[in-house]
Amino acid sequence: AQSVAQPEDQVNVAEGNPLTVKCTYSVSGNPYLFWYVQYPNRGLQFLLKYITGDNLVKGSYGFEAEFNKSQTSFHLKKPSALVSDSALYFCAVRPSGNTPLVFGKGTRLSVIA
Amino acid sequence: DGGITQSPKYLFRKEGQNVTLSCEQNLNHDAMYWYRQDPGQGLRLIYYSQIVNDFQKGDIAEGYSVSREKKESFPLTVTSAQKNPTAFYLCASSGRGQKNTEAFFGQGTRLTVV
Repeated sequence: AQSVAQPEDQVNVAEGNPLTVKCTYSVSGNPYLFWYVQYPNRGLQFLLKYITGDNLVKGSYGFEAEFNKSQTSFHLKKPSALVSDSALYFCAVRPSGNTPLVFGKGTRLSVIA
Repeated sequence: DGGITQSPKYLFRKEGQNVTLSCEQNLNHDAMYWYRQDPGQGLRLIYYSQIVNDFQKGDIAEGYSVSREKKESFPLTVTSAQKNPTAFYLCASSGRGQKNTEAFFGQGTRLTVV
């Protein structure tokens, strides 16, 4: 069965420092991978996706993610964190075609000034 | 503007009562989804529909029902059979093809049992 793991419930980082939010997946075949962000009492906002091609994907608000097929990982990164990046981040996978997205449990990012 | 609209934003349900959450999209997307969010559990799939007049159960469909009579609309009914309905409910939609694989989400409905 397909699954997504976000091993850290909480990540704390100082403003201006690089940040990484980890994600690993377990899916057969070539999945589509996504990152979303959620602010309190709001829906999810799409950040970026990997479908095929270059392993480094750039997305909204300066975020990027690196797809690593051998490690089945898709970690979210940003070179310099902002306080406004503090939110809940979700990694998701779409196993194939038009199947529904499967989400990880989320990682709460806290950027401290 | 284009997007997904969920209503109401907050909803209170009495014990034994059915309630219906609305989800409308004007993105011309074929597929629509309902997820439930509980603290620390991520998003869990309730139901999804890939085409009008067809829908499939997700991982936690018990106590819920849906309909898809129009492409734009995918309402979710939380029935009295759902024993623990207090949660944040999110509706999403997605289009076809590799360029449209991401799902777009509404702003959510917070349901509370009183």
